[in-house]
Amino acid sequence: GENVEQHPSTLSVQEGDSAVIKCTYSDSASNYFPWYKQELGKGPQLIIDIRSNVGEKKDQRIAVTLNKTAKHFSLHITETQPEDSAVYFCAASKRNNDMRFGAGTRLTVKP
Amino acid sequence: NAGVTQTPKFQVLKTGQSMTLQCAQDMNHEYMSWYRQDPGMGLRLIHYSVGAGITDQGEVPNGYNVSRSTTEDFPLRLLSAAPSQTSVYFCASRAGVQETQYFGPGTRLLVL
Repeated sequence: GENVEQHPSTLSVQEGDSAVIKCTYSDSASNYFPWYKQELGKGPQLIIDIRSNVGEKKDQRIAVTLNKTAKHFSLHITETQPEDSAVYFCAASKRNNDMRFGAGTRLTVKP
Repeated sequence: NAGVTQTPKFQVLKTGQSMTLQCAQDMNHEYMSWYRQDPGMGLRLIHYSVGAGITDQGEVPNGYNVSRSTTEDFPLRLLSAAPSQTSVYFCASRAGVQETQYFGPGTRLLVL
């Protein structure tokens, strides 16, 4: 089955700095790569996603890049703010609704 | 739209008891999934469905059963609860394979 690895497990940055989280996947059949933000006591919420036919996608301060050849994708958050502090998960999904998640990154943005 | 709803919010079971976690969505989504979340391990896929009458096993299916008799509902059954099934369970749904997946609020389960 698909295996998704996520690094780092914890990340601490100063407010205004950038944060980068990286993921790798193993199954070349995966074609959809979402990123989720989870706050304490809540379910994950989608923040950005990328499909396999696209190399990069940006939404305001958040961007995601995908390298299909190397099977890795990354989340970039610029101008971080304290409200960006949360746990972030990457995931990889195949056509049959089989979606696998990384272990998560706890991001702390220090004021 | 209520989105994805899950009941109960909390449950305590004794080892060997059975129970059903309920999940419903009102967005007419074909794709639904169940995950469990343990500390430090992210979300692990238990079972998933691509439409009424169609289900398949995910990463950690042992000890759990599902059925999908309607588009709206996707219940998860614990056959004989074990302490290893203590976790937070999330149900999710989406319209298609590359569409946004929406999660329910979760069910916290403690098995003693």
